[in-house]
Amino acid sequence: EDQVTQSPEALRLQEGESSSLNCSYTVSGLRGLFWYRQDPGKGPEFLFTLYSAGEEKEKERLKATLTKKESFLHITAPKPEDSATYLCAVPNSGGYQKVTFGTGTKLQVIP
Amino acid sequence: KAGVTQTPRYLIKTRGQQVTLSCSPISGHRSVSWYQQTPGQGLQFLFEYFSETQRNKGNFPGRFSGRQFSNSRSEMNVSTLELGDSALYLCASGIGGRFNEQYFGPGTRLTVT
Repeated sequence: EDQVTQSPEALRLQEGESSSLNCSYTVSGLRGLFWYRQDPGKGPEFLFTLYSAGEEKEKERLKATLTKKESFLHITAPKPEDSATYLCAVPNSGGYQKVTFGTGTKLQVIP
Repeated sequence: KAGVTQTPRYLIKTRGQQVTLSCSPISGHRSVSWYQQTPGQGLQFLFEYFSETQRNKGNFPGRFSGRQFSNSRSEMNVSTLELGDSALYLCASGIGGRFNEQYFGPGTRLTVT
């Protein structure tokens, strides 16, 4: 069964203090990995798709990377508005839109 | 382009009742997936519909069902509600290809008393 584990569960950073979130996965054959951001009371917002090991994608202060066993979401010089829960997800072996989500990392950026 | 819309946004039901939630996907998207989100279990996949056919199903009891209409709009039904069904129900739409990203709606917050 596909499994996705995120760490840490919660992270508190000072504004401008860079850090990384981890997403490790156990799947039968990597087919891609998604990163989402979720604000309280809202649906997840799509950030990135990574399809193969070595791939990197950036968006503003966020950079996602992928290896054969894990993905990192690097946050450079975060701002308070980056506070949210960050979720990673992998497509199931059944393919198509069946996706397994991690439980997320709740990020709080203090001004 | 308008995003995914879900109605209603909030619902309060009592045990034993049934409920129907509605989802309108992004224009042009043919895939609609439903998820249940709770603090303890996180986001869990319920089912996915593509061109009016259920293509994937998660590990939920038969009380949870859904359907998709020819315009890609989808409904989810939960019968004989239990307290444990209280959750945020999220709908996501996508183009439906293998391993494509999904775009989520704001969710329906269901409270069962």
